[in-house]
Amino acid sequence: AQKVTQAQTEISVVEKEDVTLDCVYETRDTTYYLFWYKQPPSGELVFLIRRNSFDEQNEISGRYSWNFQKSTSSFNFTITASQVVDSAVYFCALSAYNNNDMRFGAGTRLTVKP
Amino acid sequence: NAGVTQTPKFQVLKTGQSMTLQCAQDMNHEYMSWYRQDPGMGLRLIHYSVGAGITDQGEVPNGYNVSRSTTEDFPLRLLSAAPSQTSVYFCASSINDPNYGYTFGSGTRLTVV
Repeated sequence: AQKVTQAQTEISVVEKEDVTLDCVYETRDTTYYLFWYKQPPSGELVFLIRRNSFDEQNEISGRYSWNFQKSTSSFNFTITASQVVDSAVYFCALSAYNNNDMRFGAGTRLTVKP
Repeated sequence: NAGVTQTPKFQVLKTGQSMTLQCAQDMNHEYMSWYRQDPGMGLRLIHYSVGAGITDQGEVPNGYNVSRSTTEDFPLRLLSAAPSQTSVYFCASSINDPNYGYTFGSGTRLTVV
């Protein structure tokens, strides 16, 4: 069975602080995909990144970076120099190689205060 | 605009009533799914489909039916609504491409009284 754990329910930071959102996953598959989604206060779900199990390279996109470590089954997400617009609920998700059964973590609510 | 369209956006049902949540996508995606979002539980998979005529159950399928007669449409039917089905429902679609995640609809907020 696949499972995603986001142990941090809520995080509050002050603008310009760096913040890391943790994600730990469980799967028996050797091929799988990991995702991060953002849900701003407006409610829609926005795809941020997808990483497959064979690619452990870290990824950086502007102020966002992701650290994938198979050895610890983690796929952590760091926001550098956070901004108020980063306030949202962030979900980590895991799917099998055929992408038709995606499981989500419970989400981490990030609040960035000015 | 291309994307996933969900209707209605809001719905109130009485216990025991049935209804269908509509989902349509115009991106020719093979995969479509329904999720429910409840506080503290993230999104849980209800049903999914890998193509027209093919559906399967997710984590929480009880009380829901789906069908996929066309690539574009994937309606979710509540057979006999219960207060436990009060939730926000999201439809999602995807193609099998490493550079793609799911595209989600804007959600349907359902209240069962």
